[in-house]
Amino acid sequence: DIQMTQSPSSLSASVGDRVTITCRANQSIRSYLNWYQQKPGKAPKLLIYAASSLQSGVPSRFSGSGSGTDFTLTISSLQPEDFATYYCQQSYSTPQTFGQGTKVEIK
Amino acid sequence: VQLQESGPGLVKPSETLSLTCTVSGGSISSYYWSWIRQPPGKGLEWIGYINYSGSTSYNPSLKSRVTISADTSNNQFSLKLSSVTAADTAVYYCARTTPSYDYWGQGTLVTVSS
Repeated sequence: DIQMTQSPSSLSASVGDRVTITCRANQSIRSYLNWYQQKPGKAPKLLIYAASSLQSGVPSRFSGSGSGTDFTLTISSLQPEDFATYYCQQSYSTPQTFGQGTKVEIK
Repeated sequence: VQLQESGPGLVKPSETLSLTCTVSGGSISSYYWSWIRQPPGKGLEWIGYINYSGSTSYNPSLKSRVTISADTSNNQFSLKLSSVTAADTAVYYCARTTPSYDYWGQGTLVTVSS
């Protein structure tokens, strides 16, 4: 199985801050990397697919980058509705695997 | 596209968990369709998928206990997980797979307890 490791596991930030979350795979997954946002009691929501493509309807303050083994999700200016848990997921091979999640909390 | 999970919320240990996902606004004869679960307070685990031709793929950690099937006439796909234990207690989601998961059901909590 491909192991996905996110860092940090949690972070505290203020509205307006630039936030960066990192996801690392233990082998190359090319650009088969997706990012999701999950709020308590809700299903995850797709933000970014194929490492850097913005899902329709997702605000442009979200962006993704990377390829191979190292990937980044950036929120350019954190908004109140962005406080949530974020997961990366590789779709390069089965079993498809997720990172452990990064919880973004209010500072 | 909308997905809705249905099935019992409580299953006894050693029994079989059975869930159905009803898809509206799109045909399951296109794309891949997955089951994903999330134990309370924990991360996400892919269970498996079925594709438009009926082929399946399962997580090796669950493969001996999992069956995913499709009913194209009712635009539904289903999950069966046998010999459940308390470790199978989780919110179970169905999702369209493209190969990212772009549409999700709202999830259903299944508790394994006697």
